[in-house]
Amino acid sequence: AQTVTQSQPEMSVQEAETVTLSCTYDTSESDYYLFWYKQPPSRQMILVIRQEAYKQQNATENRFSVNFQKAAKSFSLKISDSQLGDAAMYFCAYRSSMNYGGSQGNLIFGKGTKLSVKP
Amino acid sequence: GAGVSQTPSNKVTEKGKYVELRCDPISGHTALYWYRQSLGQGPEFLIYFQGTGAADDSGLPNDRFFAVRPEGSVSTLKIQRTERGDSAVYLCASSPTSLDTQYFGPGTRLTVL
Repeated sequence: AQTVTQSQPEMSVQEAETVTLSCTYDTSESDYYLFWYKQPPSRQMILVIRQEAYKQQNATENRFSVNFQKAAKSFSLKISDSQLGDAAMYFCAYRSSMNYGGSQGNLIFGKGTKLSVKP
Repeated sequence: GAGVSQTPSNKVTEKGKYVELRCDPISGHTALYWYRQSLGQGPEFLIYFQGTGAADDSGLPNDRFFAVRPEGSVSTLKIQRTERGDSAVYLCASSPTSLDTQYFGPGTRLTVL
């Protein structure tokens, strides 16, 4: 079974600075997807960034980028120029490729990292 | 357009009671997922619908939990004989197909006293 581990329960960053959130995962599959979701106090999960395992190029979305190391099974999120609105819980998630039998696209989440942004 | 909506936002019930939680997915999304998020944890998969049918219910913890999606849009998660351990946030997500990105609703916080 696949597992996702986020080893940093809490992180803090100064406004305008850069912070990196860590995520490792365990799988025997070669084709899969990885995600970072943001969950503010409103509870609604918001997709931050998505990475396909078959792509070597790291995904970027504006101030958000990932460092995807497939061999190391590592998928960290870098937030540049941190803003007060970035404060939230961040969840790393894994999803099997539909090429594998039994997979129905459900996400497997880590326990999350609470990010605080100091003004 | 409208996102995924869930009602009620909060539900407080007593141990042993029956509850229903509703999810309205984004129009046209055929895939619908239910997750449960306990305090301090990430969401855990409960059940997946493709259209009207439950394609994967392997995450349901026991037979007190049941979900339906009779017309392929709105889904209801039903919990019988609630227990204090059922207290959690129940999240619903939908996607155009099971291959696509999932969009989440704001969740229902269930508290069982």
